[in-house]
Formats: sequence, C-alpha cells, structure tokens
Amino acid sequence: AQSVTQLDSQVPVFEEAPVELRCNYSSSVSVYLFWYVQYPNQGLQLLLKYLSGSTLVKGINGFEAEFNKSQTSFHLRKPSVHISDTAEYFCAVSTTQGGSEKLVFGKGTKLTVNP
Amino acid sequence: DTEVTQTPKHLVMGMTNKKSLKCEQHMGHRAMYWYKQKAKKPPELMFVYSYEKLSINESVPSRFSPECPNSSLLNLHLHALQPEDSALYLCASSRDRHQPQHFGDGTRLSIL
Repeated sequence: AQSVTQLDSQVPVFEEAPVELRCNYSSSVSVYLFWYVQYPNQGLQLLLKYLSGSTLVKGINGFEAEFNKSQTSFHLRKPSVHISDTAEYFCAVSTTQGGSEKLVFGKGTKLTVNP
Repeated sequence: DTEVTQTPKHLVMGMTNKKSLKCEQHMGHRAMYWYKQKAKKPPELMFVYSYEKLSINESVPSRFSPECPNSSLLNLHLHALQPEDSALYLCASSRDRHQPQHFGDGTRLSIL
C-alpha cells in the first residue's frame, strides 16, 4: 500500500524566512501527490498537486513543490513566509482500493511563523 | 468560500440521540468522502461513494451510517455514539480518478 512520511512534526520559522516541509512517499509506478493546508477550525485546502508532467509544481499562496522520483520526495517550499502561513500542512498520496481512490495522508507538519 | 457545504457546523449530542450530518456539493463531482479527524491528527477515511454507490467502508462501526441520496448530497447518520466519537467530521468530493479532493469546513461533533 502506498504511504507518505512527513519527516518533521513541527517547523518553527521567522517571518520572511524561507521554509521547506519534507515529504517522502513509497515508490510506485504511478504517483499522484498533494499538499493540503489546514487553518484552525477549517477544512483542508489544496495547495498544489502533482499528477504528471513538470516536476516543479507551483501552487497557491507562493508555495511550490518538486517531485523527485529518484529520492521519492515531494518537499514543499516557500521562499518567504508570512505570519498567516501558520497552519498544519499535510502531504498526501492518492491510491486505489477496490476500484475507488482514496487519499493517504502523512501525519502532518505544524508550521509556526514567528514575528 | 468553500464549494463543499457541511451542516451543521457544530453538534452536541448525547449517547442515546440520533442525528445526521449533511454534505452538499454542486460541482458535478462523481466521488464523495467522509473523514473523521481527531485533534492534531490527519483525517482518517471512513467512507467513499462513487457514482452514488458505497465503494469503500474502512471498517467503520455500524453506529455510523452513510447515505448518498443523489449525486450532490451525502449524509452521515449517527446513532448511539460514544464519547471517543467526538471529532471533526469532514466531507470531501472529487471530480475523477486521482483528482484533488475538495473539503468542506467540517462538523465539530461532541458526544456527552
């Protein structure tokens, strides 16, 4: 079964600093990867997705991620963070079960941006 | 603005009550999902409906009963819940295979 591992449970960073949130996935022939963000008391919002094609994926709010097949990684990056980026970030892989698709989430990374 | 609407936003119920959670999407998505999320944890999949048919049940206790009346609506009927069922219940939908899921803001459920 496919899985993802988020290597850091918490990442503190200062405002305007760059940030990288790490995600590794289990190898498979076809991989569909996503990053979601969850703000307090809200649902999950899609940041970006990798389905195929270019390995550098740009998302909303200035985030981007690079699909690296040789290292089975899909790390999320932002060159300069804001206080408002403080949230929980989930990496996820889409996998097939019983003819239907399901998302398998990593355990999440809590990003805290400090002034 | 979320494109997946969940009601109610908050629900407090006793262990003997019967209640229902509702989820609605008008994006023409063919798959709909129920998740349970405990604090500081990722969402856990409960059920998947594909073309209005139940396709995945992740061994969820029978006190949770899903229903998909039409392609836009998804319900979760609750009966005789336990305190450990207190959580955020999220609904999501997706257009096609391996496409992104769109999430609602959830129903925060508390069992007394």
